[in-house]
Amino acid sequence: KAGVTQTPRYLIKTRGQQVTLSCSPISGHRSVSWYQQTPGQGLQFLFEYFSETQRNKGNFPGRFSGRQFSNSRSEMNVSTLELGDSALYLCASRSGGGNTEAFFGQGTRLTVV
Amino acid sequence: QQQVKQSPQSLIVQKGGISIINCAYENTAFDYFPWYQQFPGKGPALLIAIRPDVSEKKEGRFTISFNKSAKQFSLHIMDSQPGDSATYFCAAAHSGTYKYIFGTGTRLKVLA
Repeated sequence: KAGVTQTPRYLIKTRGQQVTLSCSPISGHRSVSWYQQTPGQGLQFLFEYFSETQRNKGNFPGRFSGRQFSNSRSEMNVSTLELGDSALYLCASRSGGGNTEAFFGQGTRLTVV
Repeated sequence: QQQVKQSPQSLIVQKGGISIINCAYENTAFDYFPWYQQFPGKGPALLIAIRPDVSEKKEGRFTISFNKSAKQFSLHIMDSQPGDSATYFCAAAHSGTYKYIFGTGTRLKVLA
């Protein structure tokens, strides 16, 4: 069974630009969560999608948004990038329906210059 | 109330020794406590998890001890190996939200 796939693995963007990151969950999993990992703040929850609906949202500005498609693939978008958005963005896949085991992808390393 | 406090920040253990990492939480609504292992350049990998209805769970060399009254839980790595050198994160979640609150991580180095 394939794991969680995140693309691209690395990304360099300029301040003010926008970026879209993609996550394909484990086959059959319906829940996708996104986390930001930085050395200073650690792992912080961004949002979770289940069956195309956002179920929960963390304390991030509105520049961070996401969506989930009918095949459970999810995208995360960050607009008007700031230097502080440089981080490893991780996607976690869960089967949903009460199962809380989350399996993470390798992440997308975003660098804002 | 949403914090999970993890200690120590870093840990050095001799090969064959026991590595112990501790976490504490405040929110009594948390009912799922996983531990993740992360190697450089990789995403966190689920190691072992526990729910409050048991006090201990063991999987191979990894054991979680859970103290509900103290709101603390810990990871014990028995017979630590150099390949265990990684960063370990504890987390807590309320199954109603599925949002994980992570500890700040412990960088473990096992000396050969």
